[in-house]
Amino acid sequence: AQSVSQHNHHVILSEAASLELGCNYSYGGTVNLFWYVQYPGQHLQLLLKYFSGDPLVKGIKGFEAEFIKSKFSFNLRKPSVQWSDTAEYFCAVNAPGNQFYFGTGTSLTVIP
Amino acid sequence: DAGVIQSPRHEVTEMGQEVTLRCKPISGHNSLFWYRQTMMRGLELLIYFNNNVPIDDSGMPEDRFSAKMPNASFSTLKIQPSEPRDSAVYFCASSLGTGSSPLHFGNGTRLTVT
Repeated sequence: AQSVSQHNHHVILSEAASLELGCNYSYGGTVNLFWYVQYPGQHLQLLLKYFSGDPLVKGIKGFEAEFIKSKFSFNLRKPSVQWSDTAEYFCAVNAPGNQFYFGTGTSLTVIP
Repeated sequence: DAGVIQSPRHEVTEMGQEVTLRCKPISGHNSLFWYRQTMMRGLELLIYFNNNVPIDDSGMPEDRFSAKMPNASFSTLKIQPSEPRDSAVYFCASSLGTGSSPLHFGNGTRLTVT
């Protein structure tokens, strides 16, 4: 079965620190990859997605992610986090059959 | 453009009562998903529909849960009878159904069963 692993369960950073959240998936075929953010008390919102082309994709709010096919990874990055980035971050894979698989999420706390 | 609309936003009910959650997907989207989110288990897929047909309901916890999609613009998730362990936030999401199209989530229904 397909799976998505997010190794960091809880990350605490100071403002202006750089962020990298790991995401690995287990599927050998063509996949579409997504990162979603969930602010406290809100629903999941799309940050960015990859489905083809340049493996480095840029999303909203200064986030970017790099698809490394050989490593089955799609890590999320941001050079300088802000307090307002405090949220839960979910990596997701869409495999053929339109089945979406989500990771368990990474909780990010940014300290002012 | 209206997003995914869920109702109610909050539901508090007593154990044993029937609960019905409602979802209106984005117009033109042909895939609809129901998720449940709790602190303990994270985000769990319950069921998803493609063109109003249930494709995968393996995530539905037990027979107390049922979901329907009578038409392209409406879906319900019903719990009968409800139990305290069903307390969670239930999200509905829709997509265009192509591989690269993302899920669009509703605001969720926070269910509390006492």
